[in-house]
Amino acid sequence: RKEVEQDPGPFNVPEGATVAFNCTYSNSASQSFFWYRQDCRKEPKLLMSVYSSGNEDGRFTAQLNRASQYISLLIRDSKLSDSATYLCVVLSGGYQKVTFGTGTKLQVIP
Amino acid sequence: GEEVAQTPKHLVRGEGQKAKLYCAPIKGHSYVFWYQQVLKNEFKFLISFQNENVFDETGMPKERFSAKCLPNSPCSLEIQATKLEDSAVYFCASSPQPGTTGGTQHFGDGTRLSIL
Repeated sequence: RKEVEQDPGPFNVPEGATVAFNCTYSNSASQSFFWYRQDCRKEPKLLMSVYSSGNEDGRFTAQLNRASQYISLLIRDSKLSDSATYLCVVLSGGYQKVTFGTGTKLQVIP
Repeated sequence: GEEVAQTPKHLVRGEGQKAKLYCAPIKGHSYVFWYQQVLKNEFKFLISFQNENVFDETGMPKERFSAKCLPNSPCSLEIQATKLEDSAVYFCASSPQPGTTGGTQHFGDGTRLSIL
């Protein structure tokens, strides 16, 4: 089993739709969690950190469920520009063992 | 600098040749990471450094891959006797000391390595 797992997708959703991705992790001692976004042939960029209490940034909401060992990303009112691959990142081992998920591809359709 | 700078942007080598990639982390960042991404597939962690010391090298194929981060020099990733399967984009990232912002990684644009 991989340390961090994501559904690769693709998720094809119409503009304006709400879409959610999950990411499961196997190391219960993991300390920090992030969502990164990667556009085609580009470097990943931090989208948002994931806090235990959940956090929201505009149309994006991130949640952490430690009991079930997963994090989620919810995107409301999808835009064409949201089309990208969303990478889940888990930190453990004193914040510096970094494990990326395989990424979930989102395609927002007009 | 304010950005992670990777050079070259694209590197082409014949099978069996050596390839060397460079990464200058953001000034003040103590941690440097190297990743390999093959054809937009998952990121494979290779190695991380804390300043010039190897922090975690569990992802490195040790027989042909080596990496260094020396003081006052860009970090480097070197592949000896390249194989076709080494063709990938190699990303470098840096992050500040662990702490309130410890987990955030800043990525360079990547070096696209093509082995012919």
